[in-house]
Amino acid sequence: GAVVSQHPSRVICKSGTSVKIECRSLDFQATTMFWYRQFPKQSLMLMATSNEGSKATYEQGVEKDKFLINHASLTLSTLTVTSAHPEDSSFYICSARLDTTIYFGEGSWLTVV
Amino acid sequence: EDKVVQSPLSLVVHEGDTVTLNCSYEVTNFRSLLWYKQEKKAPTFLFMLTSSGIEKKSGRLSSILDKKELSSILNITATQTGDSAIYLCAVVTSGTYKYIFGTGTRLKVLA
Repeated sequence: GAVVSQHPSRVICKSGTSVKIECRSLDFQATTMFWYRQFPKQSLMLMATSNEGSKATYEQGVEKDKFLINHASLTLSTLTVTSAHPEDSSFYICSARLDTTIYFGEGSWLTVV
Repeated sequence: EDKVVQSPLSLVVHEGDTVTLNCSYEVTNFRSLLWYKQEKKAPTFLFMLTSSGIEKKSGRLSSILDKKELSSILNITATQTGDSAIYLCAVVTSGTYKYIFGTGTRLKVLA
């Protein structure tokens, strides 16, 4: 089946710094990728839809200047959390669309200290 | 605003019990409904439902969609401790293929 790789799986960063999370579709080309955030014991919250070659579409309430999304190629989307704060600590998951199915990455645990 | 709600939020049962998890939705441009199981990492796919009244089955798990009632159920029979997880329901919209996730049901199966 289709594979989506997400890296890093865990990252700890200091407050005020930026951290980048990568999402790669390994064996297919994904024109659309999605980024989700999940707080402990809560469901997945869609942050943004990332389309290759164009600007991401952000969901209401998600700060586009804080969560920078780049989808530069058909196999790679990146999420950069800028000027991270402890409240940004969360589980971030990407997914990539192939035809009518999406495939999830393994997720990335971000801890901001 | 599109919305997907699951119930119950959490459930504790004993091995061998049967459980029914519910998912109801209010979305424009419904395309399909999916069920996922999430343990410690990313969700794993269980079922995709597009037609009303047709049961999908995989081992002890089964699911059905009711488009009239805008809902779906996920049944797990003869539960095992390995079924302990969060079960997520997601509705996919047409066009954008946006996945809207429900609140999730946290299931704990005791030995």
